[in-house]
Amino acid sequence: NAGVTQTPKFQVLKTGQSMTLQCAQDMNHEYMSWYRQDPGMGLRLIHYSVGAGITDQGEVPNGYNVSRSTTEDFPLRLLSAAPSQTSVYFCASSYSIAGAWDEQYFGPGTRLTVT
Amino acid sequence: RKEVEQDPGPFNVPEGATVAFNCTYSNSASQSFFWYRQDCRKEPKLLMSVYSSGNEDGRFTAQLNRASQYISLLIRDSKLSDSATYLCVVNEAGGTSYGKLTFGQGTILTVHP
Repeated sequence: NAGVTQTPKFQVLKTGQSMTLQCAQDMNHEYMSWYRQDPGMGLRLIHYSVGAGITDQGEVPNGYNVSRSTTEDFPLRLLSAAPSQTSVYFCASSYSIAGAWDEQYFGPGTRLTVT
Repeated sequence: RKEVEQDPGPFNVPEGATVAFNCTYSNSASQSFFWYRQDCRKEPKLLMSVYSSGNEDGRFTAQLNRASQYISLLIRDSKLSDSATYLCVVNEAGGTSYGKLTFGQGTILTVHP
């Protein structure tokens, strides 16, 4: 199993550009999520999905879109990049046990700089 | 108020010390709880799940107090290699399906010789 993969690892964008961060998992996990991590802020949830066709907002969804057309893939789209979106982005997946989500598996992260 | 809160520290302790972290959560219907460890510029990795009865894994002990809505992590006999950021994660009920997994802001631990 490859686990959770993310591409690209590094990206530099200019203000106003759009792009998509890719995330894929091969563990058949129902739950997938995107976090951003800024210094001193921990990981903040952007969007999450509990299955194909189902997405919901997290703590900081503004400026980001997601879709979940398959169980495996959960891309994150930046609509019009802003310097405030400079961050490290992590994708994660999880599965359910006894009515709750269990351990999350993380991708290696994407380091995004917006100039 | 944040839904999951931790003391950000930093905690600086000598080797061999015992150190404890707490994490409070606001949603009383929260279902599952975890401690993760994150090394600098790496992805978080599961340290241990937290069960209602408390659980231990070597030098690490995790406790859950549902009445007061907090979880704790105790590290005994600290090693230099324990230096990292420790993050609590709570499965908050609500929203779609089983809810969402939310992180605290992390507690930085540095163990020195």
